[in-house]
Amino acid sequence: DAGVTQSPTHLIKTRGQQVTLRCSPKSGHDTVSWYQQALGQGPQFIFQYYEEEERQRGNFPDRFSGHQFPNYSSELNVNALLLGDSALYLCASSLETSGGPSTDTQYFGPGTRLTVL
Amino acid sequence: AQSVSQHNHHVILSEAASLELGCNYSYGGTVNLFWYVQYPGQHLQLLLKYFSGDPLVKGIKGFEAEFIKSKFSFNLRKPSVQWSDTAEYFCAVRSGNTGKLIFGQGTTLQVKP
Repeated sequence: DAGVTQSPTHLIKTRGQQVTLRCSPKSGHDTVSWYQQALGQGPQFIFQYYEEEERQRGNFPDRFSGHQFPNYSSELNVNALLLGDSALYLCASSLETSGGPSTDTQYFGPGTRLTVL
Repeated sequence: AQSVSQHNHHVILSEAASLELGCNYSYGGTVNLFWYVQYPGQHLQLLLKYFSGDPLVKGIKGFEAEFIKSKFSFNLRKPSVQWSDTAEYFCAVRSGNTGKLIFGQGTTLQVKP
């Protein structure tokens, strides 16, 4: 049973560049959430995708955007990178149940470590 | 704004000692509560969760947590820690009918052999 996978593992970019991170959900899951984890902090919610649409968004600027594909995989795009965007980006997947998003359990991938120079 | 507070940032214990990590949240409505663990070099893993029912929940590896609604708390406990429990522990809360998890800043647990 494949868990959540993310690529790439590490990435180094310079300020102003754009980056795309990828996530494949756990087998059978249909919902993908993205989180940013700065060093020494807990993960912070960026947004969640379900049925190929952004369902909910955290307090992140429009430079952060995403996409979900028909096979439920997802991409996170960050434009005009800033030094402060350096962090571990986590993808979590879950299965939407009849009770809605408040009844599912999110399983996390290993993350992509982004360094902005 | 909703928030989660983990009081202990760094805990050092000897093997066989008992563990209790505090977690408090600020939200007055229905909540789902989680504890995740991140072992060195590994990804976040679910330890246990509370959705409803018995406020004392048991998770993997001998961990348990108690939901005390009146105190807005969900403390994690283990009667006897092992060296392999060395990790970072995160409390997370989900409020209302949303998919958004709000995490505390984590507690680093170091268990000395």
